[in-house]
Amino acid sequence: DQQVKQNSPSLSVQEGRISILNCDYTNSMFDYFLWYKKYPAEGPTFLISISSIKDKNEDGRFTVFLNKSAKHLSLHIVPSQPGDSAVYFCAASDSNYQLIWGAGTKLIIKP
Amino acid sequence: DTEVTQTPKHLVMGMTNKKSLKCEQHMGHRAMYWYKQKAKKPPELMFVYSYEKLSINESVPSRFSPECPNSSLLNLHLHALQPEDSALYLCASSRQTNTEAFFGQGTRLTVV
Repeated sequence: DQQVKQNSPSLSVQEGRISILNCDYTNSMFDYFLWYKKYPAEGPTFLISISSIKDKNEDGRFTVFLNKSAKHLSLHIVPSQPGDSAVYFCAASDSNYQLIWGAGTKLIIKP
Repeated sequence: DTEVTQTPKHLVMGMTNKKSLKCEQHMGHRAMYWYKQKAKKPPELMFVYSYEKLSINESVPSRFSPECPNSSLLNLHLHALQPEDSALYLCASSRQTNTEAFFGQGTRLTVV
């Protein structure tokens, strides 16, 4: 039973436009959410996180939105750049700390 | 220094070999982790060390043996592995167990 779901295996976006990556979760005990970016054959790189007491966190081109009632979060990247092409993983944790990962979404930025 | 350093980057070993993966961080983080990642799958947690003590073992077979000699180092000792253990092994660290983790580049392990 997947507790964290990224339903889009891949997403293609034009350079300069907004990329929106989505993530849904089922466990209402999750209180901290993270996004990681991963290039092939490398470890994931932490991008941005959000605590369940907030509904938005922004860091440069990256913004994460959390909708607790819908158990949904999204990562917005604007403007999208070629270097953003990677696999993006959503992860969630509860107070006992276990990072539960989504399956990932491959983002392709087209020039 | 904001890096988690893993050695070696690549490792090929036979099923009867004994080898070790090493991980080092100098960020003062007190939590360290081993993950296993197969191609096109998210990382799977194997072990968590908090303040040099093993706090989580995700039912990992005994042919994988973690060791945390001090707060900066984390080892994963490998013995009698199977070909299906071939994967990218990732080390991560975080300030505490409930803060964001920073990952190393991983060790690409091939068991032949």
